Amino acid sequence: NAGVMQNPRHLVRRRGQEARLRCSPMKGHSHVYWYRQLPEEGLKFMVYLQKENIIDESGMPKERFSAEFPKEGPSILRIQQVVRGDSAAYFCASSPHDGAWEQYFGPGTRLTVT
Amino acid sequence: EDQVTQSPEALRLQEGESSSLNCSYTVSGLRGLFWYRQDPGKGPEFLFTLYSAGEEKEKERLKATLTKKESFLHITAPKPEDSATYLCAVQAAGSEKLVFGKGTKLTVNP
Repeated sequence: NAGVMQNPRHLVRRRGQEARLRCSPMKGHSHVYWYRQLPEEGLKFMVYLQKENIIDESGMPKERFSAEFPKEGPSILRIQQVVRGDSAAYFCASSPHDGAWEQYFGPGTRLTVT
Repeated sequence: EDQVTQSPEALRLQEGESSSLNCSYTVSGLRGLFWYRQDPGKGPEFLFTLYSAGEEKEKERLKATLTKKESFLHITAPKPEDSATYLCAVQAAGSEKLVFGKGTKLTVNP
């Protein structure tokens, strides 16, 4: 059973460009979460999605960030007009929601803004 | 606001030297407390979920325990391959998000 997949693993963008990060959950999981890990910081929750629905976006910056999880295809985290402060590791997790609450994480996308 | 504090920030052990990592938390109604292991450049790897005070879980050289205010991750006779950052997270009742501590970086020397 393949784990959570994220791509790209590394992404370099110049200030002002757009970054698109993709996440495919584990097979059978329909709940997806995005977290950000800044250097020397802990993991911070950004958004929780189910298919075609944003359930909790309380951790998302109000500007430039958006997320979606369409009926078909991977979940996308989109960052418009990136700034240097967006440089971080972005992790996606998925959960089976079958009575157990643990989340399984992907390998992450490391975004560098130059 | 839900909070997680892990101590120590870093811990160096000799192979075979047992020790414990601490995770103190405040949460508005605990649904679960989670332990993860994270290797450099990789995503967190799930280890344990604890749901109620008094619960214990074991896996190989690791044992996690839970009280109403803190959790401990006990490492018995560690090996160099146990070197990693160990993360603790809580999930409040009625919420899906995990609130993480900053982690304990464990180094086990041969």
